[in-house]
Amino acid sequence: EIVLTQSPGTLSLSPGERATLSCRASQSVSGTYLAWYQHKPGQAPRLLIYGASSRATGIPDRFSGSGSGTDFTLTISRLEPEDFAVYYCQQYAGSPPYTFGQGTKLEIK
Amino acid sequence: EVQLVESGGGLVQPGRSLRLSCAASGFPFDDYAMHWVRQVPGKGLEWVSGINLKSGAVAYADSVKGRFTISRDNAMNSLYLQMNSLRVEDTALYYCVRRSGSFCFDYWGQGSLVTVSS
Repeated sequence: EIVLTQSPGTLSLSPGERATLSCRASQSVSGTYLAWYQHKPGQAPRLLIYGASSRATGIPDRFSGSGSGTDFTLTISRLEPEDFAVYYCQQYAGSPPYTFGQGTKLEIK
Repeated sequence: EVQLVESGGGLVQPGRSLRLSCAASGFPFDDYAMHWVRQVPGKGLEWVSGINLKSGAVAYADSVKGRFTISRDNAMNSLYLQMNSLRVEDTALYYCVRRSGSFCFDYWGQGSLVTVSS
């Protein structure tokens, strides 16, 4: 089973700043089958990035993903008030289990 | 518009059973693999189970293997999760999720809360 470790656990930033979230895998994620989700309280998780760097439909271009192998990054170029949420990475390569990271909480400073 | 609506959650005693349902609409249900993901209150997301297009292949997390059974009815556009021998640690919000053609999880329902307590 691939274990995903996200850092930091909590990130405190102000609107307009740049956010960099990290996701490290315990072994190489084949085919860059790595996704990022945004989750707000009381709402369904929302797909942001798939294939490590492809934006999902309707996702603003301030969100970008990068990385390969075992190290992946989600970058939000200029934080908007609605971006403060919990972010999860997930690997979905090959056979299950399709594991998630433990999440990074992005909070307003 | 893609919609996934879960139902069937509730309060149940340890050792009892519960069946979750997910009604899908807005897309050709039988063209997509479907999954269940759960979130323990205050914790992260955990993949639970998945089923392919024609119910030929299913998979489970080790934590539920032997107790939970996933199934689907393509004629009814519905996904199910039969949960037996429930444990306190199964308490969670259970999400019905569509697996996209790119294999990621592109649409999620609002979730159905299962509480296992005596």
